[in-house]
Amino acid sequence: DVKVTQSSRYLVKRTGEKVFLECVQDMDHENMFWYRQDPGLGLRLIYFSYDVKMKEKGDIPEGYSVSREKKERFSLILESASTNQTSMYLCASSHRRASTDTQYFGPGTRLTVL
Amino acid sequence: AQSVTQPDIHITVSEGASLELRCNYSYGATPYLFWYVQSPGQGLQLLLKYFSGDTLVQGIKGFEAEFKRSQSSFNLRKPSVHWSDAAEYFCAVGGKRGNTPLVFGKGTRLSVIA
Repeated sequence: DVKVTQSSRYLVKRTGEKVFLECVQDMDHENMFWYRQDPGLGLRLIYFSYDVKMKEKGDIPEGYSVSREKKERFSLILESASTNQTSMYLCASSHRRASTDTQYFGPGTRLTVL
Repeated sequence: AQSVTQPDIHITVSEGASLELRCNYSYGATPYLFWYVQSPGQGLQLLLKYFSGDTLVQGIKGFEAEFKRSQSSFNLRKPSVHWSDAAEYFCAVGGKRGNTPLVFGKGTRLSVIA
């Protein structure tokens, strides 16, 4: 069965902390994505990756970075968390470089920055 | 640039009634179209997708969607709604231009009343 897991369902951090959100997929997918979801704004793409050590900026990369050292793992990093980064973060993966194949999503991490 | 519009932010239907959720897209070539559903506290699950061929596509949970190129629409339908269908629904568009991520609409929240 297809599986995308995220390290935490809920996370509370303080302003200025460095935050790591981890995503792991077990489907040998090449493509991985990070989105944030906010009420009324839908899903917005932060970063994506088509291969190990590759990354591409999405629509809202400011304040975030990513790391993909292994094919199955894609990490989102908030270098210095701010309150406006309080949100639901969703990770997804898909097969093949076309990127139009079905995306499989993790359960999400709800991050609160105080 | 590709875009997706879901005109209805929130819809309420009675259990057993029919449902239609609207989706309009903007894309310069033949689009790949998706509907995802997000139950409360969960990640997104694929309901159905259209790549080519028959413009009426069937999905899981009794949902179907019709691609109408002339109207740039991909509306989601279900003949009889169940209380468990209460969720948020996202339409997304992509295309086979290589390494172009999906673009999601802002979502429509469905409430089901007895």
